[in-house]
Amino acid sequence: QVQLVESGGNVVQPGRSLRLSCAASGFTFSSYAMHWVRQAPGKGLEWVALISFDGSNKFYADSVKGRFTISRDNSRNTLYLQMNSLISEDTAVYFCARANNYGTCLAFWGRGTLVTVSS
Amino acid sequence: QSALTQPASLSGSPGQSITISCTGTSSDVTGHNYVSWYQQHPGKAPKLIIYDVSNRPSGISNRFSGSKSDNTASLTISGLQAEDEADYYCSSYTMSSTRPWAFGGGTRLTVL
Repeated sequence: QVQLVESGGNVVQPGRSLRLSCAASGFTFSSYAMHWVRQAPGKGLEWVALISFDGSNKFYADSVKGRFTISRDNSRNTLYLQMNSLISEDTAVYFCARANNYGTCLAFWGRGTLVTVSS
Repeated sequence: QSALTQPASLSGSPGQSITISCTGTSSDVTGHNYVSWYQQHPGKAPKLIIYDVSNRPSGISNRFSGSKSDNTASLTISGLQAEDEADYYCSSYTMSSTRPWAFGGGTRLTVL
């Protein structure tokens, strides 16, 4: 079955960096687009970033553009989110999600990893 | 501010039907049929319950149904059950080359 396991969340000071990972299993990772979505405490879902199946296309929410980088290693079945210049508004649970076959929805989700930006 | 507009909360009694609306624009909901809905229980990951406006993934109850008219997509839950109490989010592919995805603000459903 499809499994997505996020890791790397931590408490970090403003201005610092953090890298999140999402280990995928139970499907052919290299065939699917992948997303990062976040949820601030008590708030709704916010789409963060999308990467195509082969990593050639990447898209970002305006709120993270220029600070976050999405990437993937298809040989390791792993998705990444490099987060730089973190601010308090980045505090959230970060979910990775796999697209469906046609990329029209987020078909499977991980349980998330918590990032807290605080001095 | 979310790109897609949902009511903040709704409530219903067991056995009733409720409908959650999701209003967008010509750049998202109106322009194509790539609207999806997600259910999230407290402390859990979101779960896909409707995709491409009206399709249910395998294993999702037929009590959940989706539709769309012009710039508004809708999720209907029939025969409400206590386990349906959760947050519901709509989402849509957008035709923006820089921001291809958007979520609604979410609707908290309470089963009375």
